[in-house]
Amino acid sequence: DQQVKQNSPSLSVQEGRISILNCDYTNSMFDYFLWYKKYPAEGPTFLISISSIKDKNEDGRFTVFLNKSAKHLSLHIVPSQPGDSAVYFCAASVYNFGNEKLTFGTGTRLTIIP
Amino acid sequence: GAVVSQHPSWVICKSGTSVKIECRSLDFQATTMFWYRQFPKQSLMLMATSNEGSKATYEQGVEKDKFLINHASLTLSTLTVTSAHPEDSSFYICSAKVLLAVTDTQYFGPGTRLTVL
Repeated sequence: DQQVKQNSPSLSVQEGRISILNCDYTNSMFDYFLWYKKYPAEGPTFLISISSIKDKNEDGRFTVFLNKSAKHLSLHIVPSQPGDSAVYFCAASVYNFGNEKLTFGTGTRLTIIP
Repeated sequence: GAVVSQHPSWVICKSGTSVKIECRSLDFQATTMFWYRQFPKQSLMLMATSNEGSKATYEQGVEKDKFLINHASLTLSTLTVTSAHPEDSSFYICSAKVLLAVTDTQYFGPGTRLTVL
């Protein structure tokens, strides 16, 4: 049962344009969401997160949007740069008194075309 | 920022031997560390949650006698793959949560590539 889904396994975007990565979830108990970036043979790097009480969080070129009614979140990267080429995972968690565990999506490979 | 290291970064071993992987939080204390496994082109699968000073909590389907986890201090957790077999070959990644953090952000190590011959 895949509770966090990234339906697009890959995405190509021209340099300088906006990259939009999507993520859907099924568990309505999730209350915290994160995006990670991962290069091959490396651990994921935290990018940005959002709490379920908010619908938007922005950090530099990265903005995450959360639509709770649709159980959907998205990551916007603008402008896209070649160094953004990587696999992006969304993750979700449920508050559990410090024992939260992350449920990851399957990832989207983003390729930025120079 | 929060830095997590893993050692070794890669290891090749013979079938039937045991391999220990270390995960360290370098500049913060972590009451909780997590161990993940990633197969090629797949998502990260949580294997177990490790709390300092207590037994690890394993996810369904993960053999606790095969994947021994020890969280001896607030900065060190180890994963030992016992009697390794070729099907255990994978990329193992640990993560750590900052002590008393109010958010659920986990910081990941660089991963360990295990190849069992």
